[in-house]
Amino acid sequence: AQRVTQPEKLLSVFKGAPVELKCNYSYSGSPELFWYVQYSRQRLQLLLRHISRESIKGFTADLNKGETSFHLKKPFAQEEDSAMYYCALSGVGSQGNLIFGKGTKLSVKP
Amino acid sequence: KAGVTQTPRYLIKTRGQQVTLSCSPISGHRSVSWYQQTPGQGLQFLFEYFSETQRNKGNFPGRFSGRQFSNSRSEMNVSTLELGDSALYLCASSPLGGDTEAFFGQGTRLTVV
Repeated sequence: AQRVTQPEKLLSVFKGAPVELKCNYSYSGSPELFWYVQYSRQRLQLLLRHISRESIKGFTADLNKGETSFHLKKPFAQEEDSAMYYCALSGVGSQGNLIFGKGTKLSVKP
Repeated sequence: KAGVTQTPRYLIKTRGQQVTLSCSPISGHRSVSWYQQTPGQGLQFLFEYFSETQRNKGNFPGRFSGRQFSNSRSEMNVSTLELGDSALYLCASSPLGGDTEAFFGQGTRLTVV
């Protein structure tokens, strides 16, 4: 079964601390993995995707096919990083179907 | 360019009624997907349309349907509303769908009473 699991509903850290939001997936084919973010009162938007291998707002994520994980990391959290983060999966060549995890709410305290 | 626009933003309906939600994608985008977001189930895929054809469908009952017009605008319809249909309905557009970036609308908040 295709599934995305984000084990933490809430993650609270202090400003300047490292952050790691966990994401594990189950997919039989070749997945494309994404992280979407939703800031307060804003729409859901793409943060990064694994195939681009870029760092956005200091966040990085590495696809580990052996552990079927795509954890999101940032070395030094900022207060403006506080938001809801969703890990999502799409099968390569699939058609407009994103499978989302339940999301992790990140709270960065001053 | 203008983002994905969903109308209306809020709706209150009575059980048994039907409802139609609208989504205008980003200009040039041919793929429109719909998602249901609830506190318990999170974001769940409803269906995806590309060039007026439904390409993919999630695991929802037949009361949920949709369509896409030649200008790529899409509507979704829910008939015989149930209390459990109360949710935020999100629309997303992308140039081709699949593994390309999806751009989301603000959503329509449907409350069934």
